Amino acid sequence: GAGVSQSPRYKVAKRGQDVALRCDPISGHVSLFWYQQALGQGPEFLTYFQNEAQLDKSGLPSDRFFAERPEGSVSTLKIQRTQQEDSAVYLCASSLPGTGTGEQYFGPGTRLTVT
Amino acid sequence: DAKTTQPPSMDCAEGRAANLPCNHSTISGNEYVYWYRQIHSQGPQYIIHGLKNNETNEMASLIITEDRKSSTLILPHATLRDTAVYYCIVRVWGGGADGLTFGKGTHLIIQP
Repeated sequence: GAGVSQSPRYKVAKRGQDVALRCDPISGHVSLFWYQQALGQGPEFLTYFQNEAQLDKSGLPSDRFFAERPEGSVSTLKIQRTQQEDSAVYLCASSLPGTGTGEQYFGPGTRLTVT
Repeated sequence: DAKTTQPPSMDCAEGRAANLPCNHSTISGNEYVYWYRQIHSQGPQYIIHGLKNNETNEMASLIITEDRKSSTLILPHATLRDTAVYYCIVRVWGGGADGLTFGKGTHLIIQP
């Protein structure tokens, strides 16, 4: 079956622009996660959804970051007034809680470059 | 979640077994050891996990010491495609209801 997909794969934004990054999770996966990965670092947790409910947003670095999942499927991560320090790969993952290995399935990521 | 310590990089010859160590001395009784890997320009991929018994699947084996303070991921016959960053993560098995805490991982380079 189809895995997690993300779009766009690459995004270049001028400092101060708003961007929107999309994640299509595996069909039926209740849990959805966003991570930020800076160059040479491991991914860092940003936020977590269970269906449409955002249960944890403790990792969002500032109020310029906003995520939504209005129908419990596709999710969008929005960054307002982008700054150079926002340049990173943004990873989305989905999982089906309570079953199997508890593993998260990751998409390929969106590489955001802020100039 | 408990913190893990891994060497930053390792080399291994193609066809040989790659043994990747991880220290997790503060692991709690209900925490599992998970391994993920990230091939260049891809998202992380689950490999294997275990609680206290050794585990094996089609990708790798996981050896956990009796005191559970360390573990070793074994890739029995490494290939060039196994070149990746390998992350050891300790977490409560929450069935996927919590974010993963990645460290910097071990960059494994398979040499031809």
